[in-house]
Amino acid sequence: DAKTTQPTSMDCAEGRAANLPCNHSTISGNEYVYWYRQIHSQGPQYIIHGLKNNETNEMASLIITEDRKSSTLILPHATLRDTAVYYCIDRSGGGADGLTFGKGTHLIIQP
Amino acid sequence: GAVVSQHPSWVICKSGTSVKIECRSLDFQATTMFWYRQFPKQSLMLMATSNEGSKATYEQGVEKDKFLINHASLTLSTLTVTSAHPEDSSFYICSARSLATSYNEQFFGPGTRLTVL
Repeated sequence: DAKTTQPTSMDCAEGRAANLPCNHSTISGNEYVYWYRQIHSQGPQYIIHGLKNNETNEMASLIITEDRKSSTLILPHATLRDTAVYYCIDRSGGGADGLTFGKGTHLIIQP
Repeated sequence: GAVVSQHPSWVICKSGTSVKIECRSLDFQATTMFWYRQFPKQSLMLMATSNEGSKATYEQGVEKDKFLINHASLTLSTLTVTSAHPEDSSFYICSARSLATSYNEQFFGPGTRLTVL
């Protein structure tokens, strides 16, 4: 079973920042936080990952709390194409194992 | 870079037939590939881990004789659903582990939708 918990669904207005929370209270010291998203009927797409520092790339920013028990994915200027299910996954950095997906958050961007 | 393809993108077959799904890493070598399936309105579930040149490792509850996996090269893994039945209808997705990145990331294919009549 997935070790992370996320809200089932969220709405966000187009053009606004979408903030998606994730709780990973049992994360161990060598586990990273990964975010993927899945647009309807497509394969998952990697977004970002982090260990303990905040991270930013061209798609999103990842804010990890100091105790690493939770994190927030930020899409700075959401567009309609960002409507998808977003998955937060904690896993070891070696990446030798398959991923355990939870139910994720269904983010709906409203025009 | 890091593109993974799957073929076919969708397939419809009769009950009792076998279906082969291909997963290819197009621009990188993948010693490890993973197979997932996703039923409607559910999340992805890992089925098996496929290592190049060795036998696949199956997750609990996944029948290895029904879901045959072959990983004969560093860019190709195949999943064969043998004697398919309507309950095997699902969205099958593969991912490939890239050793080229610093964190051994997995990249997903677009999925194959299998419908068994």
